[in-house]
Amino acid sequence: EPEVTQTPSHQVTQMGQEVILRCVPISNHLYFYWYRQILGQKVEFLVSFYNNEISEKSEIFDDQFSVERPDGSNFTLKIRSTKLEDSAMYFCASTGTSASTDTQYFGPGTRLTVL
Amino acid sequence: AQSVTQLDSHVSVSEGTPVLLRCNYSSSYSPSLFWYVQHPNKGLQLLLKYTSAATLVKGINGFEAEFKKSETSFHLTKPSAHMSDAAEYFCVVTPFSGGYNKLIFGAGTRLAVHP
Repeated sequence: EPEVTQTPSHQVTQMGQEVILRCVPISNHLYFYWYRQILGQKVEFLVSFYNNEISEKSEIFDDQFSVERPDGSNFTLKIRSTKLEDSAMYFCASTGTSASTDTQYFGPGTRLTVL
Repeated sequence: AQSVTQLDSHVSVSEGTPVLLRCNYSSSYSPSLFWYVQHPNKGLQLLLKYTSAATLVKGINGFEAEFKKSETSFHLTKPSAHMSDAAEYFCVVTPFSGGYNKLIFGAGTRLAVHP
């Protein structure tokens, strides 16, 4: 069964460093998402991406964040200058032809630890 | 604005007894509602979804949920708990916003199953 994959599973970085989290969505999907879950808190929406552009972003997704689909398979989240409060589990998700009705399939997550 | 309230942060049951995880939602539109499950160190897996068809929705692993518009509820049930059901469960709503639907998560309910 097709699945969303994410790398790395765990990333440790120093405050102020740039990190790139990578996701490979399900191959025929068209809509891509990033969510995050700070330890002990809710899963929060960060950004959605369709047709090579951001379709919606949350207040969390400020200028320090960017997303990119550099080729036909990868979908990346970049944090330009990490802060302690960026420590969280980051989930990538994708869905198929109709985002309003299709299920979002999630990857296993990347745990980001900022020291 | 859309929101989800999971009424119990922790639920503990004995193996073989029924499971009830409670969820209330708030939505300005006709929502789509989901239950996702997260096993330790795993991604988020869809259990079931409601998208304005039948109000009683059957999912995987014997779970089902009933959409009750008058009560704005979408409680998750299972007749007989299994040890493997121990996990975190998230009630999720997606507002119809023209196609790029972000998911709005509840805070989660941790289900413990005792022998």
